[in-house]
Amino acid sequence: GAVVSQHPSWVICKSGTSVKIECRSLDFQATTMFWYRQFPKQSLMLMATSNEGSKATYEQGVEKDKFLINHASLTLSTLTVTSAHPEDSSFYICSARGLAGGLKEQYFGPGTRLTVT
Amino acid sequence: QKEVEQNSGPLSVPEGAIASLNCTYSDRGSQSFFWYRQYSGKSPELIMFIYSNGDKEDGRFTAQLNKASQYVSLLIRDSQPSDSATYLCAVSGGTASKLTFGTGTRLQVTL
Repeated sequence: GAVVSQHPSWVICKSGTSVKIECRSLDFQATTMFWYRQFPKQSLMLMATSNEGSKATYEQGVEKDKFLINHASLTLSTLTVTSAHPEDSSFYICSARGLAGGLKEQYFGPGTRLTVT
Repeated sequence: QKEVEQNSGPLSVPEGAIASLNCTYSDRGSQSFFWYRQYSGKSPELIMFIYSNGDKEDGRFTAQLNKASQYVSLLIRDSQPSDSATYLCAVSGGTASKLTFGTGTRLQVTL
C-alpha cells in the first residue's frame, strides 16, 4: 500500500512560536492532501484540503492565517502553526490521495503530536 | 445535530465473541461509508468500505449498510485482544470528496 510519512512525530514548543509539520507521500504522487486535528478522546476534525499548486480550502472555524498550508509539490505538504498557544496542543494527522484515487485510497500519515507549553 | 454518531463505549466483548459496532449519519445524500481502526496514539487505518446497501464481508469483518435507515455497522467475528482499539465510522457527504468522522467507539476484547 501507499506510504505517507510525517515529520516530526512529536514536537514541544513554547507559546508564541511557530511550528512546521511536513507530510510526504513516499511512493505515489499526492494531488490532494488533507490535514486533520484530533483532541484527546475526540474524533478527527478536518482542518483543510489542499491540492497541489493551489491554495488550501479551509473548513469553517479554522483560521487560515494561523494554520498555513503549503502544497508546493506532488509529494510534500506542510502545515505551519503560527504563534502557537497551549490550546493548539493536539494530534495533527495528514492524509494523501493520488490523482486516480477515490476516498478509499486516502492514506493517513502516522501523525504529529504537538505540545505547546 | 452531529453528522455522524457513534456510541463512545467502551464496548467490552470476550475473546472469540462477535463485536457489533454501530453508526448513524444525518446526510441522506451520503454515498460512501468507511470503518477505520485507531490504536491509541496512532493514526487511523482503513478496515472496510461499503457503497451499496447490504452486507460486505472481508475476513473476520462484515460491514452492513442500510441507507433508508441511515445506518452502517461493523461486525467483527472471533474477536481477538488485538482488535481492542477505537473504531471510527466515516462518511462522505454526497459528491463531496472529504470524509466526516464519528467520535469513535472504543472496543475492549477481554481474555
